[in-house]
Amino acid sequence: AQSVAQPEDQVNVAEGNPLTVKCTYSVSGNPYLFWYVQYPNRGLQFLLKYITGDNLVKGSYGFEAEFNKSQTSFHLKKPSALVSDSALYFCAVRDRSGNTGKLIFGQGTTLQVKP
Amino acid sequence: DAGVTQSPTHLIKTRGQHVTLRCSPISGHKSVSWYQQVLGQGPQFIFQYYEKEERGRGNFPDRFSARQFPNYSSELNVNALLLGDSALYLCASSLGQVAYEQYFGPGTRLTVT
Repeated sequence: AQSVAQPEDQVNVAEGNPLTVKCTYSVSGNPYLFWYVQYPNRGLQFLLKYITGDNLVKGSYGFEAEFNKSQTSFHLKKPSALVSDSALYFCAVRDRSGNTGKLIFGQGTTLQVKP
Repeated sequence: DAGVTQSPTHLIKTRGQHVTLRCSPISGHKSVSWYQQVLGQGPQFIFQYYEKEERGRGNFPDRFSARQFPNYSSELNVNALLLGDSALYLCASSLGQVAYEQYFGPGTRLTVT
């Protein structure tokens, strides 16, 4: 079965410091991977995706993610965190078992950036 | 351009009742997917519709149904509501059936009492 794991319920970081939000995946075949962010009482906003190509993917708001096939990971990173980055982050993988756009999401990681 | 819109924003229903949630995709998008997000969990896939046909169904009971209209808007219907149906229901639109990027609406918060 295909799945995504986000091992940390919460990540705390000081403003200006680098941040990492972890994600590991389990899929058959080549993965299509995504990161979304959710602010309180809001829907999901797309941050970035990995389909193929360079292992380092750059996305919105200064975020980037590194695809590591050997470790089956797709960690989200940002060199310098902002207080406004505080939100709920979801990693997702496209379900390759059917011809649909179905996304399988992790449980989410709350990022808290303190001034 | 307007993003994905959903209505209503919030609603409260009683166990056993029926509910209809609505979604309008981004102009030009022909695919709509529905997800359920229970508090503290990631979204779970319910349905995908493309060109007015069901293209995918998640692991949800038959109490859940949906349809897509000629203008590509969509409705999600839930019958015989249970307390466990309380969740944020998210609609996502995309250009095609397997388009990489999906754009989510703000969601409808359903509370079942």
